[in-house]
Parts: sequence; C-alpha cells; structure tokens
Amino acid sequence: DGGITQSPKYLFRKEGQNVTLSCEQNLNHDAMYWYRQDPGQGLRLIYYSQIVNDFQKGDIAEGYSVSREKKESFPLTVTSAQKNPTAFYLCASSILGRETGELFFGEGSRLTVL
Amino acid sequence: GQNIDQPTEMTATEGAIVQINCTYQTSGFNGLFWYQQHAGEAPTFLSYNVLDGLEEKGRFSSFLSRSKGYSYLLLKELQMKDSASYLCAVMDSNYQLIWGAGTKLIIKP
Repeated sequence: DGGITQSPKYLFRKEGQNVTLSCEQNLNHDAMYWYRQDPGQGLRLIYYSQIVNDFQKGDIAEGYSVSREKKESFPLTVTSAQKNPTAFYLCASSILGRETGELFFGEGSRLTVL
Repeated sequence: GQNIDQPTEMTATEGAIVQINCTYQTSGFNGLFWYQQHAGEAPTFLSYNVLDGLEEKGRFSSFLSRSKGYSYLLLKELQMKDSASYLCAVMDSNYQLIWGAGTKLIIKP
C-alpha cells in the first residue's frame, strides 16, 4: 500500500538535544511538507520541498532544518535552537507542487521535551 | 493579516445533520479545503471548492461563497465515527495553505 510513514510516533527529548523525525513516502509525489500542530491553532508550515535537493522555509522555520536528498525522504531535525519544540509534527506530500492543495499526511510524530 | 475562523467545538446527535461554518480573510483565493482529523491521527482530505456553490460527496457536502468569504461543511446521517476535528484551509494567491484551528465535533448517541 502506498502512503507516508513517519517515525517515531512518540519521542521524548531533553532540553539542548537535537532530534530528527523521519518521513518516507512511496507515492512518487514530488512535493513534501512539514507542519507543526499545537492545540487551538491551525497547522503551521515549517519547511516544504518541491523537488529533490531543494527546499524552502515556511512560516516557522527557525530552529528547524531539513534535507531532501531523495524523492522519497524528507527528514526534519528539531534543533536545540527551537525554543518551544513540544508539539505534534505532521509530514505531508502532494502529487505536484503547492498549487494542488490536496495533501496526503503521515500519522504524525509527537515530540515532548522534558 | 490572513485569518480563518471556525467554531471551536460543536455537539450533535447520531443520525442528525450538522453544519460546520468557516469564514476567511486571505490575500487572494485559490480554493478552500476541508480535512477530517481523528484525535491523534493524520488529517484526511474531504473536499475542495474553488467555485461558488455546493459540492456533494455522499453524506458530506461543502458549500462556498467567495463574495462572502464563507464556506460550510454539511454532514448528514451522523455516525459515531464522524466524531473528529474538521479543518478548514484556504489557498491564498501565493498558493500557500492557511489553516483554521479546526472544529471538534462530538457525536452523542
């Protein structure tokens, strides 16, 4: 079955540590995205990539980094510079670029900073 | 600034009909999306409207009025499995998706 796989589903981190969230898709989608979801707020875009080896900052990129070395993979690193990293992180993909709108989401990764 | 407004929470009875409203103010408009998200899970696509009018898909329908900056999602014959959050998102002139905070729908027997 085609889809998007995020791992880990739950992650605990001590302050000052970097952590990397994995996102893999086998849908052959060109575009991939990382969103952050906090209670009472809409999804906020962290980074997106429309093609391999290229990515763009979203609205809240500070304290995060990404790479897109393969079409299937778009890992997100939450660095120690992110002041409030505890959140639910969602990876998504779409067939073409941002214009298509319809997104396919992974199951999410819940990060808790202790 | 850009803004999407939805009610925070709604309650309805199994078998009934419920309408979830969404109003928006964005820089341009390239379509409005509705997603369903069960607690702790990923959002899934429900509907897309870019022209005024009603789009029907089974028990779910979505309406758009661009002149009023308004949309609603209509759910008929409610089932317990419809208990979820419903997210409204608008694509602005830069093809950026602006998301509402979501409406938590509680279905009671």
